[in-house]
Amino acid sequence: DIQMTQSPSTLSASVGDRVTITCRASQSISSWLAWYQQKPGKAPNLLIYKASTLESGVPSRFSGSGSGTEFTVTISSLQPDDFATYYCQQYNSYPWTFGQGTKVEIK
Amino acid sequence: QVQLVQSGSEVKNPGASVKVSCKASGYTFTTYSINWVRQAPGQGLEWMGWINTNVGNPTYAGGFRGRFVFSLDTSVSTAYLQISSLKAEDTAVYYCARLRGAATARDPFGYWGQGTLVTVSS
Repeated sequence: DIQMTQSPSTLSASVGDRVTITCRASQSISSWLAWYQQKPGKAPNLLIYKASTLESGVPSRFSGSGSGTEFTVTISSLQPDDFATYYCQQYNSYPWTFGQGTKVEIK
Repeated sequence: QVQLVQSGSEVKNPGASVKVSCKASGYTFTTYSINWVRQAPGQGLEWMGWINTNVGNPTYAGGFRGRFVFSLDTSVSTAYLQISSLKAEDTAVYYCARLRGAATARDPFGYWGQGTLVTVSS
């Protein structure tokens, strides 16, 4: 199975900060990586797919990059609505696997 | 618009069974597989497997073979997850999810049900 490792596990930031979360795969997954945002009590919501393609309706302050084994998602200017937990997921090969999550909290 | 609506929360005793439903609307049900994802309390997301809604064959991730069964009723556009011999560690929110819709198997989850909390406790 492909292991997905996110860092950091928790991130404290202020509104307006630039925030970057990293996701590493245990083997190459090309660009078959997605990022999701999850708020408490809600289902995850797709933000980015194929490593860098923004899902329709997702604010442009979100961006994704990377290929192979190292990926990042960046929020250029953190907004109050962005405080949530973020997960990466590889869909290169079964079983599809998620990172353990990164909680973005208010500093 | 695409919607996946799941059944409500369940509280079950250890050893019992539970069946969670996921009703799809807004698209042709048999066009896209239904996936299942588990989230234990305070934990991350775990992919359980998927069921091909066209032919009905399920595929289970490693930790979900045996007590977990995916099934369908295509006449009502509904997928089911049944868990038997429930254990305390099965306590979790279970999500159904559909791929985003690209013409490829390599596709992320674009649509999710609202989740069903299954609590196993005596």
